[in-house]
Amino acid sequence: QKEVEQNSGPLSVPEGAIASLNCTYSDRGSQSFFWYRQYSGKSPELIMFIYSNGDKEDGRFTAQLNKASQYVSLLIRDSQPSDSATYLCAVRYGGSQGNLIFGKGTKLSVKP
Amino acid sequence: DVKVTQSSRYLVKRTGEKVFLECVQDMDHENMFWYRQDPGLGLRLIYFSYDVKMKEKGDIPEGYSVSREKKERFSLILESASTNQTSMYLCASRDSSQETQYFGPGTRLLVL
Repeated sequence: QKEVEQNSGPLSVPEGAIASLNCTYSDRGSQSFFWYRQYSGKSPELIMFIYSNGDKEDGRFTAQLNKASQYVSLLIRDSQPSDSATYLCAVRYGGSQGNLIFGKGTKLSVKP
Repeated sequence: DVKVTQSSRYLVKRTGEKVFLECVQDMDHENMFWYRQDPGLGLRLIYFSYDVKMKEKGDIPEGYSVSREKKERFSLILESASTNQTSMYLCASRDSSQETQYFGPGTRLLVL
């Protein structure tokens, strides 16, 4: 059973702080890893994806991947109230044509 | 910009009715997907399609069927709606050579 685990939260951080969201996955054969943001009542939108061990930065967002530990995280620097949303981790299994398995999401609240 | 549209944002149906949910994408994507999203259960894959006339079962296909007669359109059919099919239904599409999966706005279905 392929699984993607996330802490459901809510995670509450003050405005301007770093928010750290974590995700673990069960299958060592996983190839690519995704972070989606979902505002309440809206559909998920892709923030970024990562293939290789290490860090990948895009603006205020940094994805970190550690395949040995089967762990992927998302850091949000200088958090803003507009970052308040549910963050979904997704893992692609079975190569480039494999489907995504989604975690249940972590709800983030950024307090002004 | 990629656009994935769904025929309805909100739908109310009676138990036993046949329900059609339509999804259309405008980017000539080969891959299309239907998910449902429920509180505490996350996003679950119902059916997917990698090409016209092709369909594959996802993790929870029971009670659903799909149709893909044209590349841009992927329909989800609830043969006989039941109350446990009350959910948010999300369509997604992806170019088979790209990583990004794009979601439609979702259809919130209530079965009474």
